Amino acid sequence: SYELTQPPSVSVSPGQTARITCSGDALPKQFAHWYQQKPGQAPVLVIYKDNERPSGIPERFSGSSSGTTVTLTISGVQAEDEADYYCQSADSSGTYVVFGGGTKLTVL
Amino acid sequence: QMQLVQSGPEVKKPGTSVKVSCKASGFTFATSAVQWVRQARGQRLEWMGWIVVGSGDTNYAQKFQERVTITRDMSTSTAYMELSSLRFEDTAVYYCAANSIDAYDIWGQGTMVTVSS
Repeated sequence: SYELTQPPSVSVSPGQTARITCSGDALPKQFAHWYQQKPGQAPVLVIYKDNERPSGIPERFSGSSSGTTVTLTISGVQAEDEADYYCQSADSSGTYVVFGGGTKLTVL
Repeated sequence: QMQLVQSGPEVKKPGTSVKVSCKASGFTFATSAVQWVRQARGQRLEWMGWIVVGSGDTNYAQKFQERVTITRDMSTSTAYMELSSLRFEDTAVYYCAANSIDAYDIWGQGTMVTVSS
């Protein structure tokens, strides 16, 4: 079965840049989306189609793609950005959707 | 505003079924797709399947292929997820999500399903 791989944790100080990666063999063919999830809350879409930002999401959130890796970048991290972040994409056929294992972002 | 409102918490016995509803408002339900995702306590998000509301076409994760059914009622703008043959490990929060753009940007509040004898 298809898998997306994320680092379990990333830590940054306030004001620094956080980068969270997501790797998968089908990512050159399939778009990836990123969700932020805070404890006890539903996920929130922060980046879609690799690098598009939904309305209402701060400009400090951006996305990029290179080969089999997509990256969520949070510039000028704020304390409120501390959360779990999940990537979502599909296998090469587009049939089966998967989530990455999630990355816990800690703001020191 | 665009929103999805899910049904309330459920407690079920092993071997039974649960049906969770997801009512849409504030966007065009008929032209959307709805996915269902679950999350056990402290675990990752797990995709279960989706339905294209207009056509009724569905696609299920292989893990749930034999036990899950996703349907919709366009007259009430409601999607449903039914999971059968419940096991203790099905205890989780179940979310629905719909797309008003090219991704699932509208999420329900989640429904806690507890499987207990």
